[in-house]
Amino acid sequence: QVQVVESGGGVVQPGGSLRLSCAASGFTFSNYGMHWVRQAPGKGLEWVAFIRYDGNDKYYADSVKGRFTISRDTSKNTLYLQMNSLRAEDTAVYHCANSTPQFWFDHWGQGTLVTVS
Amino acid sequence: EIVLTQSPATLALSPGERATLSCRASQSVSSYLAWYQHKPGQAPRLLIYDASNRATGIPARFSGSGSGTDFTLTISSLEPEDFAVYYCQQRRNLFTFGPGTKVDI
Repeated sequence: QVQVVESGGGVVQPGGSLRLSCAASGFTFSNYGMHWVRQAPGKGLEWVAFIRYDGNDKYYADSVKGRFTISRDTSKNTLYLQMNSLRAEDTAVYHCANSTPQFWFDHWGQGTLVTVS
Repeated sequence: EIVLTQSPATLALSPGERATLSCRASQSVSSYLAWYQHKPGQAPRLLIYDASNRATGIPARFSGSGSGTDFTLTISSLEPEDFAVYYCQQRRNLFTFGPGTKVDI
């Protein structure tokens, strides 16, 4: 079955960097766009970034533009989120999700916690 | 940026009752609206897309309606597993989520 599993979270100091990974299985990874979405403690869901199936187009929320970079490695069926210049307000559980052809958020992972402190 | 507003913030109901959740967009999103269910510690789940289409495997008690700026998610008869937070989300202009409605027992 379709599965996406996030990893790489942890505690990092303000101004630091972290790279999240999302391992995909159960579907043809190279055919699907992928999203990152986060949820800060006690808050709702916030879309972070999207990458098209071929990696040629990437989109970011204003809150992370210029600091975060989304990428993918088709040979490893893995999605990444490189996070630089981290701030306290980036503290959240980060989820990855694959995208339907109409860009909806289809299958989600349970997330990985990033704490900036 | 398109802002989504959801009401009420919390809805307290009993199993078997009907739940009606609202989502309003700051500008028209046509039918580019989805609904998600999220339980603590679990992955969110896509329920409805394109305002009124049920996602694969979603029970018929979930239905969506609306277009433009006003949308509704209806759960016709609440089951115990339906108590959760529900988010609307638009894709008319990039992607934004509403603040959520908690359906509480």
